[in-house]
Formats: sequence, C-alpha cells, structure tokens
Amino acid sequence: AQKITQTQPGMFVQEKEAVTLDCTYDTSDQSYGLFWYKQPSSGEMIFLIYQGSYDEQNATEGRYSLNFQKARKSANLVISASQLGDSAMYFCAMREDGDSGGGADGLTFGKGTHLIIQP
Amino acid sequence: DSGVTQTPKHLITATGQRVTLRCSPRSGDLSVYWYQQSLDQGLQFLIQYYNGEERAKGNILERFSAQQFPDLHSELNLSSLELGDSALYFCASTQESGSGSYNEQFFGPGTRLTVL
Repeated sequence: AQKITQTQPGMFVQEKEAVTLDCTYDTSDQSYGLFWYKQPSSGEMIFLIYQGSYDEQNATEGRYSLNFQKARKSANLVISASQLGDSAMYFCAMREDGDSGGGADGLTFGKGTHLIIQP
Repeated sequence: DSGVTQTPKHLITATGQRVTLRCSPRSGDLSVYWYQQSLDQGLQFLIQYYNGEERAKGNILERFSAQQFPDLHSELNLSSLELGDSALYFCASTQESGSGSYNEQFFGPGTRLTVL
C-alpha cells in the first residue's frame, strides 16, 4: 500500500480562488510528521508547511494552511487567494518516527499534484 | 535560496560509467539526505548521513554509495550507470536527526543526471 496518496494528478484553479490539495497517509507509528513541498518548473523543492502528529492545532504559514484530520489520516493543503506564481507541482510527504520498527528519517513522498492557476 | 549547494547542476554520461555528485549542507546542519526524482519512481529517499555517519537507508541501489566528510559535505557515488539512473538527484539538510526532530528538510537545487 502506498504510504502517501495524492489523488489529484492535476488541478486548474482561477486566480484569487482558494484551492485544496488532497493528501492521505498510511502509518502505524504514533509519532510522525507531515510536510508539503512546492516544486516549480525550475525544479527546486520549496518547503511550505509542517504538521506534527501530536500537534492539536492545524499548521498555518501565511496563505498556506494544513487541514489535519488524524482519524481520517488526511493532511490536505489549503492555499488561500491563489496567485499565478502558485502554479507548480505540490508534494505531500511524511516522516515516520520508526516506533513501529519500520521508519527511517527520510521523507516518503506522494506522486504530487500539478496545480495550474489561471488568470 | 535554501543554503544547500549541489554540484554539478547537470551531468551527462554514458552507461557503465561512474559519477560523483557533491552536496554542501546549510551552515550548521549536521544531517544530509539524498533523494532521487525520476518519472518512473517519483521522489525516493536514498540515504541519510548524520555528522559523518550513515543514519538511515532508503531505496538505494548497491551500485550507489555515499559518504559525509568531516566538513559535513557529502558525496553520492553512482557506478555502473544504467539508462534508468537518469534522474534529478537532490540533497537536503537539517540541523538535527533522530526520532522526534521534525525539522524541515531544506533541499538543494539538484543535479540532473542524464545517462546515454
């Protein structure tokens, strides 16, 4: 089974609208972290936001927020007031603590969502 | 600019050859991670070093190896290259390592390897 699932290969959104990128994860660990990265066409990986498994509040960073639903194992990224510069690939990733014996410190990435913001 | 540097930016080589990719982490970061991004496999974690020692292994092939030097820079060695090794190779760094330390990983710009 995939550890990180991003079900939207591509999305088109009008500028200034809010957009939600879906991410579900699978882990047996109690301690883990969830990350979102942005990869523009230039190729670099840009860190956006982090949510820890024990964090009670949803993480926010500027226009980015993470809708964390632990029971559903879901960590959706919400971008408010989208801009043309938000067009990029977005990756959800997980780092497991390894308390179930299978974790490592490397990130496990989903396949990504290609977001295109239209004017 | 993440503060992580990788050289070279591009590398073109032939099957069967060996190449070395270099990474310098952000100042003060002790952990270095290597990732491979290919069309087939997506983004995959290869290996992690922490303060000179191997810390964790992911989906790294036996033909690949890495090391981290006393000045904390790291090198990824890829040998007996195959067409399928063509990919973007990222290095990332964090300050800490170990369970419970969920510092974000800062990625370098990557090295694009093309095997002909």
